[in-house]
Formats: sequence, C-alpha cells, structure tokens
Amino acid sequence: QVQLVESGGGVVQPGRSLRLSCAASGFTFRNYAMHWVRQAPGKGLEWVAVISTDGNNGFFADSVRGRFTVSRDNSRNTLYLQMSGLRPEDTAVFYCARGRGPTVTTYFDYWGQGSLVTVSS
Amino acid sequence: QSALTQPASVSGSPGQSITISCTGTSSDIGTYNYVSWYQQHPGKAPNVMIYEVSNRPSGVSNRFSGSKSGNTASLTISGLQTEDEADYYCSSYTTSSTLVFGGGTKLTVL
Repeated sequence: QVQLVESGGGVVQPGRSLRLSCAASGFTFRNYAMHWVRQAPGKGLEWVAVISTDGNNGFFADSVRGRFTVSRDNSRNTLYLQMSGLRPEDTAVFYCARGRGPTVTTYFDYWGQGSLVTVSS
Repeated sequence: QSALTQPASVSGSPGQSITISCTGTSSDIGTYNYVSWYQQHPGKAPNVMIYEVSNRPSGVSNRFSGSKSGNTASLTISGLQTEDEADYYCSSYTTSSTLVFGGGTKLTVL
C-alpha cells in the first residue's frame, strides 16, 4: 500500500535552517510529481512546493520562494524540503503529498501523516 | 496566489443536503477544470473527496458531488451523516503552475 512518512521536524530558532524528508513506499516513486503542503496550528491548508518526476523542475508558493528548496532522490524513494531563513510564521505541520493528474497535478491522492515544525526562540 | 474563498462554516441536520462554495479567479478555477475537494478530520491528514471538478475517487460515497460555473466551484453533500462533520478544503491548479487552496469550511452536522 502507498505510504508517505515525513521526518525531520522539530523546534528551530528564527533564521535557522531545517530539512524535512518524506520516505515513500508502495508505488513507483519516480513516476509521480510530489508536493509539500503545510498547515499552521488551527489554520487552513497552504500549498508550499512541487517537484517534477525527474527532480529538474520545482515551483513554490510566494511565501517561501527564495527560502525553501525541494529535491528528491528517486534511488532512495525520498522527497526533501530544505528550509532556510525560517520565520515564526513558518510554524506548521508539513505534509508531503503525491500528485495525480493527466499532465500536471490536478489533485493529491495520498498524504503523509505530517511533521511539525516550530519556529521559536 | 490569493487563497480561494470559502465560507468559514456551514451546518445541516442529518439527512439534509448542504453546498459549500469555492470562489477563485480567471487565473485558477475559471481557466482549469482542475478543482479538487478534501475532507479533514481533526488531527488527521486530508482525504480527497472530489477531483477534476466532479470526479469521485473509488471508495468515496456518491453522496458527495462537485460542480463548477465560471470562477466558482461547489461541493454538495447529500443525506448528511454525523461522520461528515469535518473541515473541507477546495483546491485548484493555477496559471502560474502552482496550486492554491481555499481557506476551509467547517461543516457541523447538528
């Protein structure tokens, strides 16, 4: 069965960096675009980033562009989110999600359980 | 990348029908039939209920249906059940090759 398991969350000081990982299993990882979606405590979902199947293309939300990068290792079936210049408003549960669609992602069919990132001094 | 607009809350009694609206722009909902809807129970990850405006994934009850007109999409839940009480989010692909979510709607089943 499809599984997505995030790790790497924790408490980090403002301005510091953190890297999240998402280990995928149960499907052919290299065939799917992968996304990060976050949810601040008590708030709604916010799309963060996408990476193409081959890892050569990524797109980002305005709120994180220039501070976050996304990468993947198709040999290890793992997705990464490198976050730098973290701000208190980045505090959220970060989900990885599998993208589905004919040519671009039109929806997310599987989600991980989420990893909490808390940015605080 | 402004969030899609949803009502903050809706409510209904068991057996009734409710509709949640999701308003975007010509840069997202108005251009693409790539609207999806997600149900999220407290402390859980979201689950897709509708994709590409009106398609239901296998396993999702046919009480859930979706539609779109212009820049506005809608999710209708018929025959409300207590387990439908949850937060619901719409999402759309955009002309910037990104995705955007709505602010979310809390459904209360009275």
